Amino acid sequence: DVKVTQSSRYLVKRTGEKVFLECVQDMDHENMFWYRQDPGLGLRLIYFSYDVKMKEKGDIPEGYSVSREKKERFSLILESASTNQTSMYLCASRPGGEKLFFGSGTQLSVL
Amino acid sequence: AQTVTQSQPEMSVQEAETVTLSCTYDTSESDYYLFWYKQPPSRQMILVIRQEAYKQQNATENRFSVNFQKAAKSFSLKISDSQLGDAAMYFCAYRAPLQGAQKLVFGQGTRLTINP
Repeated sequence: DVKVTQSSRYLVKRTGEKVFLECVQDMDHENMFWYRQDPGLGLRLIYFSYDVKMKEKGDIPEGYSVSREKKERFSLILESASTNQTSMYLCASRPGGEKLFFGSGTQLSVL
Repeated sequence: AQTVTQSQPEMSVQEAETVTLSCTYDTSESDYYLFWYKQPPSRQMILVIRQEAYKQQNATENRFSVNFQKAAKSFSLKISDSQLGDAAMYFCAYRAPLQGAQKLVFGQGTRLTINP
C-alpha cells in the first residue's frame, strides 16, 4: 500500500521557534507538496517539489521554506513560528499520473 | 488564476437519502481535470472521483456521481443511498494539465453530516 508519513500528528510550539515538519513517502514519487488547511479556506499550497533539490513556491510561501535532499523526504520549515501559522499541515506526493497521496496531517499550534 | 468555490460550508442528509454538493470553478483553460476528495475524521484525504474536462460523460464511482456542466463551470457531487461512513469534509479540486508539477487548487470544503 502507498504510504505518506508525517512525523507528528500534533505539535505545539512557541512564537519565534524554528519548526520542522517532516514528510516521507515510500513510493519513489517525483512530486511532493505541502498544503495548509484552514476552516473556510480549504487547502492552500505552500511549496512543492518536482525533483530532488528542486522546489517551487505555491500560493502562500511567505514565512516558510522547504528542503528536499532525498527523493523520499520533503521538509517544511517555519523559520520563526508565528501565531498566524497555527494550522493543519498536509503533505502529499504524486507520481507522473493523476492521483495525489496524502499524509494524515500535522495539527500545529503556535502559542 | 484558477479558483474553486464551494458555497455550502455544511450540509446534512438522512441516512439512505441522496445529497448533492456544489462546486463552481473559474478557468480560461479548455482542458483540465476536476476532483472530489473526502476527508474523514481520521484526516486522511481520499480521492472520491475525477473528471476530465474533454469527456462529456459524467464520471461515476458506485454511489458517487458528478454532474459536470462545462459551460457553466459547475462540478457537483451526488451521493446516493448515503451511509454513516460518508460523513466527512468534501473538497472539490481543479488541475490544469500543463501547469508546472500540476498543482491542485482546492475549494473551501463542505462538511457533510449523515443523520441516522
